[in-house]
Amino acid sequence: DVKVTQSSRYLVKRTGEKVFLECVQDMDHENMFWYRQDPGLGLRLIYFSYDVKMKEKGDIPEGYSVSREKKERFSLILESASTNQTSMYLCASRPLSGQRNEKLFFGSGTQLSVL
Amino acid sequence: AQKVTQAQTEISVVEKEDVTLDCVYETRDTTYYLFWYKQPPSGELVFLIRRNSFDEQNEISGRYSWNFQKSTSSFNFTITASQVVDSAVYFCALSNNAGNMLTFGGGTRLMVKP
Repeated sequence: DVKVTQSSRYLVKRTGEKVFLECVQDMDHENMFWYRQDPGLGLRLIYFSYDVKMKEKGDIPEGYSVSREKKERFSLILESASTNQTSMYLCASRPLSGQRNEKLFFGSGTQLSVL
Repeated sequence: AQKVTQAQTEISVVEKEDVTLDCVYETRDTTYYLFWYKQPPSGELVFLIRRNSFDEQNEISGRYSWNFQKSTSSFNFTITASQVVDSAVYFCALSNNAGNMLTFGGGTRLMVKP
């Protein structure tokens, strides 16, 4: 079974803390994504990565950075957490195949609360 | 810019009723892809269907069916004879041809009561 694993299901942090959200996939996928999900807004793309050490900004990158040192791992970093970053964070991966627009495989999400 | 609108934020039905989830999209691209994903209470989004803009054939998969109409920029999803296990949040999404811009709608929460 294919798997995208997010390290924490629930996380509580304080304002100003540096926060790391980890995502690991075991499918050898080239593409990985970080989304945040807020009620009524659906999923919004924060960053994505085509391959190791490659990253592209999504729709809402402000306040976030990412790291992709190994193919299987894609980390989302909140340099200085703020209360407006309280949200559900979803990681996804996708193979780079000959067919464009392959489906995404998602993790179960990390609910982050910043107090 | 791309946009996906799911006007229904919540729908509640009784088991065995049919229900249609609406999705309207905007794009300037001539080639694009449309998706539906299901998010059950466990949180993990599950892929349901992908359609490209050149394939307007409706699709049926068991109790699920999809109606793609380019003329109205809509890609609606119907569940026939709904079941409690269908309770979830459903997302419609639109992707450009390159696949690097996937835009999700706000989601529709479907509650199926026994």
